Amino acid sequence: NFVLTQPHSVSESSGKTVTISCTRSTGSIASDFVQWYQQRPGSAPTTVMFENNQRPSGVPDRFSGSIDSSSNSASLTISGLKPEDEADYYCQSYDSNNQPPWVFGGGTKLTVL
Amino acid sequence: EVHLLESGGGLVQPGGSLRLSCSASDSLFSSYTLHWVRQAPGKGLEYVSTITTHGGYTYHADSVKGRFTISRDNSKNTLYLQMTRLRTEDTAVYFCANLRDKWGQGTLVTVSS
Repeated sequence: NFVLTQPHSVSESSGKTVTISCTRSTGSIASDFVQWYQQRPGSAPTTVMFENNQRPSGVPDRFSGSIDSSSNSASLTISGLKPEDEADYYCQSYDSNNQPPWVFGGGTKLTVL
Repeated sequence: EVHLLESGGGLVQPGGSLRLSCSASDSLFSSYTLHWVRQAPGKGLEYVSTITTHGGYTYHADSVKGRFTISRDNSKNTLYLQMTRLRTEDTAVYFCANLRDKWGQGTLVTVSS
């Protein structure tokens, strides 16, 4: 079974750029799509990235996603940080050989200083 | 745009049952594989169950297998989660989602005597 590992927390100043990583333990990160969800305090999750690098309508282009086979990781990059970006971020992926097939990362708390 | 709305949460005693519903705003509902995801207080997102577009395939996490049943009625644009033999550790906010770009707002289930 694979696990998605995220840093517990990251922090960066307003206006700067931050990258949140999501490392897959076994199997290729490229074998299935990675999604990213944002959850602000007291709110439901919302999708900020699907299929590795696709933004749902309404998500600003300050948000971008990528995968890196060399590190077997996915990344969510947020540029021009704003206070409202402060939230928990979760990555998620899929593997039919996994039990369960749908796997979430443990989440990263982003603090905007 | 499809919106998802959960209902049916509440306080239930250990060993009790509850049925959650997730209603969609339009008929695109039937085109989605749908999932239940839960979040215990102060914890991260946890995968619970999945059902494919016409209900031909379902999957449950080991932690709920044999106790929870996912189903759907596409004629009513509604997803269900029948929960039986509830345990205190099932206490969580339960979200329905397509794990692509749609999430509901969640419904709280509290299992306590």
